[in-house]
Amino acid sequence: NAGVTQTPKFQVLKTGQSMTLQCAQDMNHEYMSWYRQDPGMGLRLIHYSVGAGITDQGEVPNGYNVSRSTTEDFPLRLLSAAPSQTSVYFCASSPLGGEAFFGQGTRLTVV
Amino acid sequence: DAKTTQPPSMDCAEGRAANLPCNHSTISGNEYVYWYRQIHSQGPQYIIHGLKNNETNEMASLIITEDRKSSTLILPHATLRDTAVYYCIVRVEGGSYIPTFGRGTSLIVHP
Repeated sequence: NAGVTQTPKFQVLKTGQSMTLQCAQDMNHEYMSWYRQDPGMGLRLIHYSVGAGITDQGEVPNGYNVSRSTTEDFPLRLLSAAPSQTSVYFCASSPLGGEAFFGQGTRLTVV
Repeated sequence: DAKTTQPPSMDCAEGRAANLPCNHSTISGNEYVYWYRQIHSQGPQYIIHGLKNNETNEMASLIITEDRKSSTLILPHATLRDTAVYYCIVRVEGGSYIPTFGRGTSLIVHP
C-alpha cells in the first residue's frame, strides 16, 4: 500500500510564481487535510476536506486554494508564491473515526 | 476538542523507559486520547489511542488516569530512533475529525 503520496518532495519557486502541490491517497479515506510546518513550530492546518466536493478553511488558509474532485486526490494550489510561504507542507488522510496517515512532506522554498 | 498541555522537552537514556506526560483536564466523556510522533523531517506517525482503559501495542503503552485528566505515553525501552516530537491530542471518536497539533514534547534519547 502506497498510503499518502506527496509530490514533489522539494521545490524552489520565485516570488509570484504559482504551483500545485499534489497529494494522493489509496486508502479510500473520506478526510484529507493540508498542514504547513515552519522551523520549531507545530503543524498548522491550512485547508481540509471531509469528502469529494467538500472543502473548508483551516487556521492559515490565506494564499492557498484547494479542491477535491475525487476521493483520492487533494491538491494544494499556491496562486502567487511569497517568501512567507517557505515551509514544509504535509498532507494527511483519515477514515471516519480513525487515525490520520501523513505523507512525507514537500519542502518548498520561495525566493 | 479539549486542549492538551505537554512539557516542551524531555530526555531519556537509551534502553530506559521514556514516560511522556500529557495534561487534558477539560476532556469530555466521549473524547479519546491520541498520540502521534514526528521524527525529524518526516510526516507524523500514529502511535496509540485510548478512552479510559490502559492500552498497549507494539510501539508503546498508554496509561490514562482514573479521572481521565491526564495520561502518560510509555516507550518501555527507548532507542535512539525514538528521538522525535511527540504530540498528545484529544478528540471525539467517530464523526468528522481533522487533527490539530500543539507544540508537543521533543524527546531526545541519548546513548
